[in-house]
Amino acid sequence: DTGVSQDPRHKITKRGQNVTFRCDPISEHNRLYWYRQTLGQGPEFLTYFQNEAQLEKSRLLSDRFSAERPKGSFSTLEIQRTEQGDSAMYLCASSLGGGREETQYFGPGTRLLVL
Amino acid sequence: AQSVTQLGSHVSVSEGALVLLRCNYSSSVPPYLFWYVQYPNQGLQLLLKYTTGATLVKGINGFEAEFKKSETSFHLTKPSAHMSDAAEYFCAVSPSGGTSYGKLTFGQGTILTVHP
Repeated sequence: DTGVSQDPRHKITKRGQNVTFRCDPISEHNRLYWYRQTLGQGPEFLTYFQNEAQLEKSRLLSDRFSAERPKGSFSTLEIQRTEQGDSAMYLCASSLGGGREETQYFGPGTRLLVL
Repeated sequence: AQSVTQLGSHVSVSEGALVLLRCNYSSSVPPYLFWYVQYPNQGLQLLLKYTTGATLVKGINGFEAEFKKSETSFHLTKPSAHMSDAAEYFCAVSPSGGTSYGKLTFGQGTILTVHP
């Protein structure tokens, strides 16, 4: 059973650099979510995809953030011109179908530190 | 807009004692409710969820939660704590309909410490 995987697990970058994270969902899951978790807080919704369509984006997702899911399988989250405030854990989750029976399965996260 | 409040950022219990983690939500319509657990350096794992039907929901590892609509609460309990229960617990809600269904709103988390 291969769960949700994320790469890299850790990323240290300097302010102003661009970073890209990858999420591989559970096979055949059509929904994919991105969340951000800062220290001492619960995860906050960023965006989600149904297949390759990005259906909703949070106001937290500034113009520096972009997410894609080009073939409805893996997804990438890119942050341009990183700022220290972007330091957080970025979590990816996937689910099948949506609705009352939906369960989101989370990956281990990518921890970003912006110096 | 939905919101979740977890009362107590830290809860400490002795091994074998009752675990009670509190969660209250705010929503214009009854939402779906979830409890997740997060161990250090790991992703979130679903403990249990309530969507419809019986208001007392049983989950993994001996945890259960009761949905009380009148109190807008979904508290998590376990009769007897184990050392392995030490982790951070998150209550979450999602809309039960509309275009945003599935989108989770989390509480701030409760760190559970279990003493020998």
